[in-house]
Amino acid sequence: EIVLTQSPDTLSLSPGERATLSCRASQSVRSNYLAWYQQKPGQAPRFLIYAASSRATGIPDRFSGSGSGTDFTLTINRLEPEDFAVYYCQQYSSSPRTFGQGTKVEIK
Amino acid sequence: EMQLVESGGGLVQPGGSLRLSCAASGFNFSSYWMSWVRQAPGKGPEWLANIKQDGSEKYYVDSVKGRFSISRDNAKSSVYLQMDSLRAEDTALYYCVSGGYFFGTWGQGTLVTVSS
Repeated sequence: EIVLTQSPDTLSLSPGERATLSCRASQSVRSNYLAWYQQKPGQAPRFLIYAASSRATGIPDRFSGSGSGTDFTLTINRLEPEDFAVYYCQQYSSSPRTFGQGTKVEIK
Repeated sequence: EMQLVESGGGLVQPGGSLRLSCAASGFNFSSYWMSWVRQAPGKGPEWLANIKQDGSEKYYVDSVKGRFSISRDNAKSSVYLQMDSLRAEDTALYYCVSGGYFFGTWGQGTLVTVSS
């Protein structure tokens, strides 16, 4: 099973700043099969990124993903008020599919 | 618009059973892998199981293997999760999601509470 470790646990930033979230895998993620999700309180997760760097339909271009192998990054440029949420990475390189523990982006 | 609506959650005693249902609409259901994902209070999501378009392949996380069973009915655009031998640690919000790899569309979830 691939274990995903996200860092930091919490990121305190102001609107307009850039957020950089990390996701590290316990073993190489084949073909960069890594996705990112956003979750707000009381809501289901929302799909953001697949294949490490491809945005899902309707996702603003201030969200970008990068990385390969075992190290992946989600970057949110110019944070908007609606971007403050918890973010999860997820690998689909192997079964079982696994999620990271999440990074909370909070307003400073 | 793709939509998934779960039902069937509730309070059940340890060792009991529940069957969750998920009704899909707004897309060609029979063309998609489908999955179930759960989220315990204050925790991250946990993938449980997925099922191929024709139901010929099913995969499970070890923690539910032998206790949970995923199935689908393409004629009804529905996917199901039969949960037996439920434990306290199965208490969570259960989501039906589209896809077997990454998860593009999520339902609103149905709450399962296992407690005596």
